[in-house]
Amino acid sequence: NAGVMQNPRHLVRRRGQEARLRCSPMKGHSHVYWYRQLPEEGLKFMVYLQKENIIDESGMPKERFSAEFPKEGPSILRIQQVVRGDSAAYFCASSPWDIDYGYTFGSGTRLTVV
Amino acid sequence: GENVEQHPSTLSVQEGDSAVIKCTYSDSASNYFPWYKQELGKGPQLIIDIRSNVGEKKDQRIAVTLNKTAKHFSLHITETQPEDSAVYFCAAGAGNMLTFGGGTRLMVKP
Repeated sequence: NAGVMQNPRHLVRRRGQEARLRCSPMKGHSHVYWYRQLPEEGLKFMVYLQKENIIDESGMPKERFSAEFPKEGPSILRIQQVVRGDSAAYFCASSPWDIDYGYTFGSGTRLTVV
Repeated sequence: GENVEQHPSTLSVQEGDSAVIKCTYSDSASNYFPWYKQELGKGPQLIIDIRSNVGEKKDQRIAVTLNKTAKHFSLHITETQPEDSAVYFCAAGAGNMLTFGGGTRLMVKP
């Protein structure tokens, strides 16, 4: 079991470029959650998705950020026109139908905007 | 929605001492309470969890207690070691959602 796979591990983008972060959930997990973590801070919930559906995006900025979890392939967190303030670690977690049975994090993508 | 408060935000102990981290939650419907350890540069890892039908759970040097009436739960680490130094997060939830506390940075001094 490969666990939750996130790539890339490190991503450098210039201001104004687009960032695409990918998350492949654990085998058998159909729920994906994205979090943002600034240095020395906690985990800030962004969005919760099931296959082809966004369930809760209450933590996601209204502009420039979007997320998807297609029927086939990984979940994608997309940040358009990145700014320096987007620099952070982005973690995804996955779970099966009930969090009691496992809520597992990936190793994260560290985004640096220069 | 659920709100989880975690204290203290930083905790420094001598090697061999015990460490206690406390969390409170607001939603009485929450029935699952996991704890995660995050080491520098890594993702959070589940270290122990407890469900609402259990008051206490122990795994070697770590234990969790849950008081559903008061809506608080705690992580206890005994005989701390330098490798316990990390950020610890509590969480509370039910169904498909977890809400995390703000984290506690634990430093174990040799």
